[in-house]
This record gives sequence, C-alpha cells and structure tokens, in this order.
Amino acid sequence: ETGVTQSPTHLIKTRGQQVTLRCSSQSGHNTVSWYQQALGQGPQFIFQYYREEENGRGNFPPRFSGLQFPNYSSELNVNALELDDSALYLCASSGARGWSNGYTFGSGTRLTVV
Amino acid sequence: EDQVTQSPEALRLQEGESSSLNCSYTVSGLRGLFWYRQDPGKGPEFLFTLYSAGEEKEKERLKATLTKKESFLHITAPKPEDSATYLCAVQAVSARQLTFGSGTQLTVLP
Repeated sequence: ETGVTQSPTHLIKTRGQQVTLRCSSQSGHNTVSWYQQALGQGPQFIFQYYREEENGRGNFPPRFSGLQFPNYSSELNVNALELDDSALYLCASSGARGWSNGYTFGSGTRLTVV
Repeated sequence: EDQVTQSPEALRLQEGESSSLNCSYTVSGLRGLFWYRQDPGKGPEFLFTLYSAGEEKEKERLKATLTKKESFLHITAPKPEDSATYLCAVQAVSARQLTFGSGTQLTVLP
C-alpha cells in the first residue's frame, strides 16, 4: 500500500484567486473525502466522492468543488478565495471495507490566503 | 446534529504518569467511533474503531473504551513519543462524514 499523497504541501494565494489541490489515493480506494482543518480545530467535512460522483457534502458553499478520476486521484477546487479559507486541507480515502478500518488520511496541503 | 466534545483541551504528563482522555458524543445512531493521532503538520493517523457500548480495544500503551455517550482513551505509562494531538470522531449510520472533536493536545515530558 502506498498511502494517500497530497500536493502541494504548502501554498500561498491571494484573496479572490482560485486554487486546485490534488490527492492520490491507494489503488482500490474508490471513496475519497476532503476535510478542512483550521488551526487548533478538528477536521470539518467538505464533501465525499464515490466512483467519481459526489455523494455527500458538508456545510461549505458551492465555490468549493471537486473531481474524482478513474485512477483514484481527486481534486479540490476553491474559487474566490477568502482569508478564512486559510487552513490545512486533508484528503481521506477508504476501500471496499470502507469505514470499519478507518479512513486513511494524507498529510494535507497547508493553504494560506493573504 | 452530531456533536463531539473532547476534554481536556491540553494535557501535560510526566513520562510514566498514566491518564485518560475523554470524548463525549451525541449522534443519531452510531455506526462507529474513531480515535486518531495527529502529529504537527501531518494528517490524522488511525488508531481504533469502536462500534458498540462496552467494547474495548488496545494498542501498545493505548486502550480505548466506549459507552453510550462517551469514549475514553487511556494512556498507560506514556513516553515522550506519545506526545501528539488525539482526535475523536463519530460516524452516524446515515452519514457519509466523520464528525470530529477539537482534539486533546498531549505532551509527555521526559
């Protein structure tokens, strides 16, 4: 197993810009979730994709969007960046046995909006 | 709405000084309660999944227990390498997402 890989590790953007974060999951992990973690807080659920379709969404506005690809990679896109979007963005994946073995998280992308 | 509250927010222990972390939760039908460890600048690392009240799981110096409203993470004779933030999360039967608490930041002093 190669785990979950996220890129880039750090990113600085200007308010109003757009950003794309990437995640590469383990082979066979057909469920991917994205979370936002503010400093000192627990991760907050953004959305989940299963077999390239969004099948769950948290309390985040439409400017947060995503894609999942057949090769187990996925993207998180954020438009019109705001200062409050500064956070650690985490990708988590799970396979056929899914949740019972715990979701596997990547190391995250630290986004700073200035 | 599912909720998770962890206490204390921070805990400092001397090496070898055992203690417990608390996770109180409300959920509309529990599918699973998860414990994760998170080191600074890293993603959460899976520790345990608990499914029903009365269940216990152990891994090295860690033992997790579950009641209908709380979970405890007991740390026996901790070492400095156990220093990390410990996160608790629940997943409801009907939900896709994990709902996390804010974590307990544990520091173990040598």
